[in-house]
Amino acid sequence: ELKVEQNPLFLSMQEGKNYTIYCNYSTTSDRLYWYRQDPGKSLESLFVLLSNGAVKQEGRLMASLDTKARLSTLHITAAVHDLSATYFCAVNNAGNNRKLIWGLGTSLAVNP
Amino acid sequence: KAGVTQTPRYLIKTRGQQVTLSCSPISGHRSVSWYQQTPGQGLQFLFEYFSETQRNKGNFPGRFSGRQFSNSRSEMNVSTLELGDSALYLCASSPTAMNTEAFFGQGTRLTVV
Repeated sequence: ELKVEQNPLFLSMQEGKNYTIYCNYSTTSDRLYWYRQDPGKSLESLFVLLSNGAVKQEGRLMASLDTKARLSTLHITAAVHDLSATYFCAVNNAGNNRKLIWGLGTSLAVNP
Repeated sequence: KAGVTQTPRYLIKTRGQQVTLSCSPISGHRSVSWYQQTPGQGLQFLFEYFSETQRNKGNFPGRFSGRQFSNSRSEMNVSTLELGDSALYLCASSPTAMNTEAFFGQGTRLTVV
């Protein structure tokens, strides 16, 4: 059964610093998603990663995928307070019983 | 283009009651998925509907059910509510099937007392 692990689960960082969130998954998948959730709000799609070596960037966030290592990273560059949110990765399990399996989320607090 | 609309936004129910939640997907989207989000368990997949057919189901008891109408709107029903059913229920729509990018609604916050 596909399992998705994120770490860290909680992250407190200072503005201007860099950090990386990790997402490991246990079995083969053909796509990985990153979402952002603000408190009391819905989930907003950030990135869809489809192939090994895929890298996508939007502003201060950059996501990458290594399908051989079953690892995706979400790198934050020069964090700002507006990035404070919970970040989720989700992986599509392959096969007939396709569904998204989610990590528990990384709660990020960016402090001035 | 309107987003995914879920109603109601908040709901308080008593143990043993039943509840129906509604989700209107983005226009043109045919796939609707439902998730339960709790602090301890994270996001858990309930089921997916596509063209009025349930395509996939998560590991939830039979008290959780759903359906999809010809206009792609979906409802989920929870019968005999338990305290542990208190959660944020999220609906997501996709253009075709589960393996495409999903767009989420604001969720329905259900509290069972």
